[in-house]
Amino acid sequence: AQKITQTQPGMFVQEKEAVTLDCTYDTSDPSYGLFWYKQPSSGEMIFLIYQGSYDQQNATEGRYSLNFQKARKSANLVISASQLGDSAMYFCAMREGSGAQKLVFGQGTRLTINP
Amino acid sequence: DGGITQSPKYLFRKEGQNVTLSCEQNLNHDAMYWYRQDPGQGLRLIYYSQIVNDFQKGDIAEGYSVSREKKESFPLTVTSAQKNPTAFYLCASSMFRGLKRTGELFFGEGSRLTVL
Repeated sequence: AQKITQTQPGMFVQEKEAVTLDCTYDTSDPSYGLFWYKQPSSGEMIFLIYQGSYDQQNATEGRYSLNFQKARKSANLVISASQLGDSAMYFCAMREGSGAQKLVFGQGTRLTINP
Repeated sequence: DGGITQSPKYLFRKEGQNVTLSCEQNLNHDAMYWYRQDPGQGLRLIYYSQIVNDFQKGDIAEGYSVSREKKESFPLTVTSAQKNPTAFYLCASSMFRGLKRTGELFFGEGSRLTVL
């Protein structure tokens, strides 16, 4: 079974609009962490935001926020006031347990911001 | 500046040849990882190492080998046993989680391997 599911292969959004990228996860471990990464066309992976399973509040980092709904096992990324530079692939990832930092990645969503 | 350096950026290989991808980090991170990415896909874990002289297989280790003789270095060898080696390879490192709550991975810029 897929541990991380991103159901939107591609999204097109007008500049300055907010956008939500979906991510659902599957784990039976009570301790886990959820990550979002951005991958521009150059290929490097850029860390955006982190949410721990025991965190009481949704994570925020500048224009990025994570809509964490634990009961639904979803961790959607919200980008406010989108910019042309936000065009990239976005990956949701999960780390289970408290051991090694192995991350399991979803298939990604390609976000295109239109001027 | 601190970071992760992968080389070469582009590599072409003939079928049947082994090739080694270099990964060096100066972040003083304990753990290092190798991921493979195929076009339009997510990343899949090949190998990881939490300390020097120790490493573990990831989800797709067959046809690959690694070594971790120094904290800073984690080279990946793609052997001739790897049936579909053409892919984008990403190296990453992370701090021991006890020192940083999030423990996110820091990635290099990747190496693109093409088998001719």
